[in-house]
Amino acid sequence: KQEVTQIPAALSVPEGENLVLNCSFTDSAIYNLQWFRQDPGKGLTSLLLIQSSQREQTSGRLNASLDKSSGRSTLYIAASQPGDSATYLCAVSPRAEETSGSRLTFGEGTQLTVNP
Amino acid sequence: DTAVSQTPKYLVTQMGNDKSIKCEQNLGHDTMYWYKQDSKKFLKIMFSYNNKELIINETVPNRFSPKSPDKAHLNLHINSLELGDSAVYFCASSQYGRGGQPQHFGDGTRLSIL
Repeated sequence: KQEVTQIPAALSVPEGENLVLNCSFTDSAIYNLQWFRQDPGKGLTSLLLIQSSQREQTSGRLNASLDKSSGRSTLYIAASQPGDSATYLCAVSPRAEETSGSRLTFGEGTQLTVNP
Repeated sequence: DTAVSQTPKYLVTQMGNDKSIKCEQNLGHDTMYWYKQDSKKFLKIMFSYNNKELIINETVPNRFSPKSPDKAHLNLHINSLELGDSAVYFCASSQYGRGGQPQHFGDGTRLSIL
């Protein structure tokens, strides 16, 4: 059974700091890994999706890496801003279901606070 | 335009009642999902439909019954609501029903059982 763990559970940093959020998963047979952002009272916004054959994806100040063999992913946020404050979730899609639907398994999230 | 929309946003009801949550997506996706987020914010998949066909059915009580009238809609009906059903229910959709495509989420339905 796939388990996804995110460390730390909460993080508070001053504005402008670079930071790294960690995600680990127990079963390396994944199809892809997705990072989401969740704002209070809102749904999830997809930030980055990394296919199992890829090592990293970048979007603006965000960079996500994937080391499938070790079961790890990191989300790097450069020059953090107060508007980055949210809960960040990672989720993995199992390889067995690549052709029809995707049973995303989520971590419990990292609650990020960026202080002005 | 809202890509994945759920109604209602809030639902407060008595234990034992039957209620439905509706979801619609205008992204042209062929796969839709229901997730449950509990009080500890942990998200877990409940169901998935691909082109109106049920393809994922997690260990969910029979009181929960999804219905997909077409590939743009996935509704969730819950019978005999219990206190433990209190949670946020999220609908999501993805393209082509393949694991390689990102899932898009609605804003959630906050269900509170009194």
